[in-house]
Formats: sequence, C-alpha cells, structure tokens
Amino acid sequence: KQEVTQIPAALSVPEGENLVLNCSFTDSAIYNLQWFRQDPGKGLTSLLLIQSSQREQTSGRLNASLDKSSGRSTLYIAASQPGDSATYLCAVKGAGNNRKLIWGLGTSLAVNP
Amino acid sequence: DAGVIQSPRHEVTEMGQEVTLRCKPISGHNSLFWYRQTMMRGLELLIYFNNNVPIDDSGMPEDRFSAKMPNASFSTLKIQPSEPRDSAVYFCASSYGDRGTEAFFGQGTRLTVV
Repeated sequence: KQEVTQIPAALSVPEGENLVLNCSFTDSAIYNLQWFRQDPGKGLTSLLLIQSSQREQTSGRLNASLDKSSGRSTLYIAASQPGDSATYLCAVKGAGNNRKLIWGLGTSLAVNP
Repeated sequence: DAGVIQSPRHEVTEMGQEVTLRCKPISGHNSLFWYRQTMMRGLELLIYFNNNVPIDDSGMPEDRFSAKMPNASFSTLKIQPSEPRDSAVYFCASSYGDRGTEAFFGQGTRLTVV
C-alpha cells in the first residue's frame, strides 16, 4: 500500500532564503508525482507534475526533483517570498490501472518579511 | 473556462439532515473526483468517475454517502443523514484522460454539522 510522507510538517523561514520541502513514498511503482499548493480556505493549485520517466521539472523559482528508486521527491523554492506562504502537498499516482492520487499531509510554509 | 465550480462554499446543518454538495467540472474533462479534507487525515479520495461512470468508490466512508454524475457537466455528493464527524472540507476535482494526469480542484465546500 502506497504511503506518502512529507517532512517537515511546518517550516518558518525569513524572506529570501532558498528552501527544500521533502516528500517520500513507499512504493516506487508510480505513474507520476505532483506538487500542489493550498492557500488557507482555498482549493489546491497544481504547481509541478513529474512523470515517472522524468528526473525534474522547473517552473519559475520552483524546481521539483524525483528519485523513484529511493522513493523521494524534493520541491526547491528559490529566493522565498512572503507570497509563497501556503501549505505544499505532494501526491503520487500509482502505475497500472490505479488512477488514485495518494496524498501526503503537507508542509505548512511561512515566509516572514 | 471558470474552472471547477462547487456549491455551496459553506454549509452548516444540523445532525440528521440531508446535505447535497454540487460540482461542475471543467468542460471537456472526463474524470471527476470527490475528496474530503480534515486536519487529522488530510485529503482522502471518496470516489471518482470516468466518463460519468463511478470507477472506484472504496473511499466512501459509509452508506450514508452517495455520489452521482448524471452527465458530463454535473455531479453531486449526498450525505444522508449527516453526522458531526462528517464536518470537513469537501473538494471536487476534474481532469482529462484515462489516467487523469493533472487534476484541477474547485474551491471546496466547508461542511459543518452541528
């Protein structure tokens, strides 16, 4: 059974820092991995999608990496800004016929001005 | 496109009442997902549809929960009778393709059962 863990659960950093959020999964047979952002009281926004054959994806100041063999993904945020404050969720979709996303509990990020 | 639209945004109801949550997926998407989010358990997939057909409802917690998708542009999640432990935020998401490569989420319905 796939399990997704995100560490740390919460993170507070000063503005301008580069930071790394971690996601680990127990079953390496994945179809893809996604990073989402959730603002308080809002829905989820997909940030980056990495297919199982890819090693990383980049969008602006965000870079996500995937190491299937070790069951890990990292989300790197460069030059953090207060507007980056949100909860970041990692979700894994299994290979085969399973269409379900399996979710981590998220990392709550606060970037302080 | 306006994105995935959910209604109502907030619902407060008394225990025992019927609650109906509604979702309009993005036009052209053929997969629709209902999720429940709580602090303790995070996001849980309740049910998903592909081409209006329920594919997996193993996440539906009890018989009190039911979901329908009568057409490609509308889905409902019904709880009858509601209980205080059903209080959560319920999200609807839609995507395109058999594997639902990327999911677009609605703003959610915050349900409070008192």
